Amino acid sequence: SSELTQPPSVSVSPGQTVSITCSGDKLGDKFASWYQQKPGQSPLLIIFQDYKRPSGIPVRFSGSNSGNTATLTISGTQAVDEADYYCQAWDSNTPVFGGGTKLTVV
Amino acid sequence: QEQLVQSGAEVKKPGASVRVSCRASGYMFTNNEINWVRQAPGQGLEWMGWMNPASGTTGHPQRFQGRLTLTGDPSIDTAYLELSSLLSEDTAVYYCARRAHHDFFDLWGHGTLVAVSS
Repeated sequence: SSELTQPPSVSVSPGQTVSITCSGDKLGDKFASWYQQKPGQSPLLIIFQDYKRPSGIPVRFSGSNSGNTATLTISGTQAVDEADYYCQAWDSNTPVFGGGTKLTVV
Repeated sequence: QEQLVQSGAEVKKPGASVRVSCRASGYMFTNNEINWVRQAPGQGLEWMGWMNPASGTTGHPQRFQGRLTLTGDPSIDTAYLELSSLLSEDTAVYYCARRAHHDFFDLWGHGTLVAVSS
């Protein structure tokens, strides 16, 4: 099965824009989803079908997917956005998760 | 409100079995697959398998073959994961998650900690 590669950690200053990448073979040919997980909580869907936001997810979260890379972008990052972020896509009818990226807001 | 409510934490000895339940409410249980995902301490998300509540069909990766059983009881809107021959490496938080019709997981249970220790 294919793998999805994410940077282990990313840091950002409050109010700045940060991007988290997710790389996989021909990932742009598939739909990518993104999940946010805060300590002690279950994952929360924040982006689906590459760029769509579920109801209630702030507009500062956006997504894109092209070529071999899906990208989650947080604009005007807030302290509350500090969390682990996981990308996910499907390969041969099997869901695959990226290894996760720890976002630190400093 | 839509939710998945899971059973409580379990402590098991190596070689034992564990069953985790996941009760759906606020939506039609048989409309969506239930998937199971686990997360070992400090680690990422690992997909374990799926169960279709309407048909009872299931699927899971080969690495769990012979140890994992996924079932559902539509009469009580509940999905079950049973894992046997537990190893210390099975220590993790186990999540159930609803698969939306367009290939993402839009509703997650709160998680069930399974600790395997002698």
